[in-house]
Amino acid sequence: EVQLVESGGGLVKPGGSVRLSCAGFGFTFSSYTFNWVRQAPGKGLEWVSSISSSGIFKYYADSVKGRFSISRDEANSSLFLQMNSLRAEDTAVYYCARDYPFSSVSGDYYYGMDVWGQGTTVTVSS
Amino acid sequence: EIVMTQTPLSLPVTPGEPASISCSSSQSLLDSDDGNTYLDWYLQKPGQSPHLLIYKVSYRASGIPDRFSGSGSGTHFTLKITRVEAEDVGVFYCMQRIKFPFTFGQGTRLEIK
Repeated sequence: EVQLVESGGGLVKPGGSVRLSCAGFGFTFSSYTFNWVRQAPGKGLEWVSSISSSGIFKYYADSVKGRFSISRDEANSSLFLQMNSLRAEDTAVYYCARDYPFSSVSGDYYYGMDVWGQGTTVTVSS
Repeated sequence: EIVMTQTPLSLPVTPGEPASISCSSSQSLLDSDDGNTYLDWYLQKPGQSPHLLIYKVSYRASGIPDRFSGSGSGTHFTLKITRVEAEDVGVFYCMQRIKFPFTFGQGTRLEIK
C-alpha cells in the first residue's frame, strides 16, 4: 500500500526547534517531488515547502523562509522539515504530500498531490 | 503571491441535489509555454487528511466518482457535483500551482441539509 507517515510533532517553546519526518512506503521514493502543507487549528490549508526528486530544487513560503529547511534521505525513503525559530503562528498540523506526475497527450507531465500523510501536530507555546 | 478566492464559503445542500463552488485567481493560471492551466481541487473530509479530487482544471483523480467535474479557464474555475451524497461532506479547496508559493482558496464547507 502506498502511504506516507509523518512523525516528530509535539509541544515546542517559542524560539525552539523541531524536525518533522515523513516516511514513504509502497513506492519508489526517489522518483517523486514532495511537499509540506500545514493547517492551523480551525483554519485552511497553507503550502509550506516543496523539494524536487533530485533534492536540488527547494521552495518555501515567505512565512517560513529562512527558518524552515526541507530535505530528503533516499536511502531511508524519508522527507524532513527542520523548523527553527518557531513562533506561535507555526502551530498547525503538518502534512507531507507526494507530487504525482500525471501524463498527458502532449507528452508532458502535470503534477498533483495524490498521496497525503495523516499529519503531525506542532504546537508552539510557552 | 497569487490569491485564490472561493465562493461560497458555506454550502448547505440537500442530498441528490447539485452543488457548485467557484474559485477565482488574482492572476491567470494558464501557462502559455506549455498550454496547461494549473488549478487543482482537494477535499478534506471531517477528521481526515485532504485528498486530490481534480487536477489540471478538469481531470478527475483516481477513484473520484464522475459526479464531480471541474471546469474553467484563465482566472475563473468551477467545481460541480451533479448529485450530492452524504459522503461528500467536508471542505473543498482550490489550489494554484502555476508558480511558487502554491496557494489555496479559503475553503468551502459543504454540509448536508
